[in-house]
Amino acid sequence: GENVEQHPSTLSVQEGDSAVIKCTYSDSASNYFPWYKQELGKRPQLIIDIRSNVGEKKDQRIAVTLNKTAKHFSLHITETQPEDSAVYFCAASWGGTASKLTFGTGTRLQVTL
Amino acid sequence: DGGITQSPKYLFRKEGQNVTLSCEQNLNHDAMYWYRQDPGQGLRLIYYSQIVNDFQKGDIAEGYSVSREKKESFPLTVTSAQKNPTAFYLCATGYGVRGYTFGSGTRLTVV
Repeated sequence: GENVEQHPSTLSVQEGDSAVIKCTYSDSASNYFPWYKQELGKRPQLIIDIRSNVGEKKDQRIAVTLNKTAKHFSLHITETQPEDSAVYFCAASWGGTASKLTFGTGTRLQVTL
Repeated sequence: DGGITQSPKYLFRKEGQNVTLSCEQNLNHDAMYWYRQDPGQGLRLIYYSQIVNDFQKGDIAEGYSVSREKKESFPLTVTSAQKNPTAFYLCATGYGVRGYTFGSGTRLTVV
């Protein structure tokens, strides 16, 4: 089955700096890669996703890049703000009707003032 | 709850007791999923269902059971065979390849 590795497990940045979280996946058939943000005690919320026919996708301060050859994808957050502090999860699936997601172990991002 | 309701929010289980976690959705999504979340281990798939009256085991199904008698409902039973059930349980629905919508979760504690 699919295996997703995520790094780093914790990340601390100063407000205004950029943050990058990286994930690798094992199943070359995977073609859908979402990112979720989970605030303390809350449910995960989808923040951005990318499909294998696209190399990069941006939404305001967040962007995701995908390298299918190397089987890795990354989340980039620019101009970080305190409200960006949360746990971020990457995930992968092959996107078919049985599109169960395999999640990474999460990155705890702390944005300091 | 964005169309997915999990109940109860907190649940306490005694040793040897079965407990059932509820997940109801009004999003008309075919697929439903149960994940377990432990600190530092991300989300691990317990069971999933793509259609009514059908479900498949995920990566950590031992000690759990589910049913899918209605499209709207996918309850999870934590049986006494699950030796370490203390965790945060998340139900999710999916529509095609649009990712998941999660419920607000149930925090289960063994007392």
